[in-house]
Amino acid sequence: KAGVTQTPRYLIKTRGQQVTLSCSPISGHRSVSWYQQTPGQGLQFLFEYFSETQRNKGNFPGRFSGRQFSNSRSEMNVSTLELGDSALYLCASSPTQLAGQETQYFGPGTRLLVL
Amino acid sequence: KNEVEQSPQNLTAQEGEFITINCSYSVGISTLHWLQQHPGGGIVSLFMLSSGKKKHGRLIATINIQEKHSSLHITASHPRDSAVYICAVRPVQGAQKLVFGQGTRLTINP
Repeated sequence: KAGVTQTPRYLIKTRGQQVTLSCSPISGHRSVSWYQQTPGQGLQFLFEYFSETQRNKGNFPGRFSGRQFSNSRSEMNVSTLELGDSALYLCASSPTQLAGQETQYFGPGTRLLVL
Repeated sequence: KNEVEQSPQNLTAQEGEFITINCSYSVGISTLHWLQQHPGGGIVSLFMLSSGKKKHGRLIATINIQEKHSSLHITASHPRDSAVYICAVRPVQGAQKLVFGQGTRLTINP
């Protein structure tokens, strides 16, 4: 099976712009989670989707949003970009919604630079 | 205080040495995960634990639920083991929300 794919892999934006990142989970996986990784804060949970429903959301401002489509592909959007949004954004998928009982499979990440 | 603390933050060793990375957490958990991140960013899930011990090749992970502590061991370390190792826990409250430690940067010199 193909792994988790994320597009684009690299992105440069300027402050105030918005950005949309895409994640395609492993075929058959229905749960997708998003994480932000920065040198200062490390890895932090953004949100998690299962069957097109957001089940959990981390402590991020409303500028960060996401959605999941019927084919389990997911997108996250960041509006009004700030310099501090520069980070590696990782997506991970797992087969079902068995809370806490499944291994997650990570994509390669999208590296976002905000100038 | 972070919910998940790892030690050491940085570790340099010679090829062949036995490596131990520690993880302590302060919340009730359903599972604990060890992840490996190589330069470039990709993350691989090494272990998922809820009790006891797991072994995969030269890697061994243990967890003590009562003491809220886990260790990752690498036997016969090799330069290709050089990576950042991240401990993450899934709290009992929080479903899929993983909480991460800050990571341990391991460098194995030939």
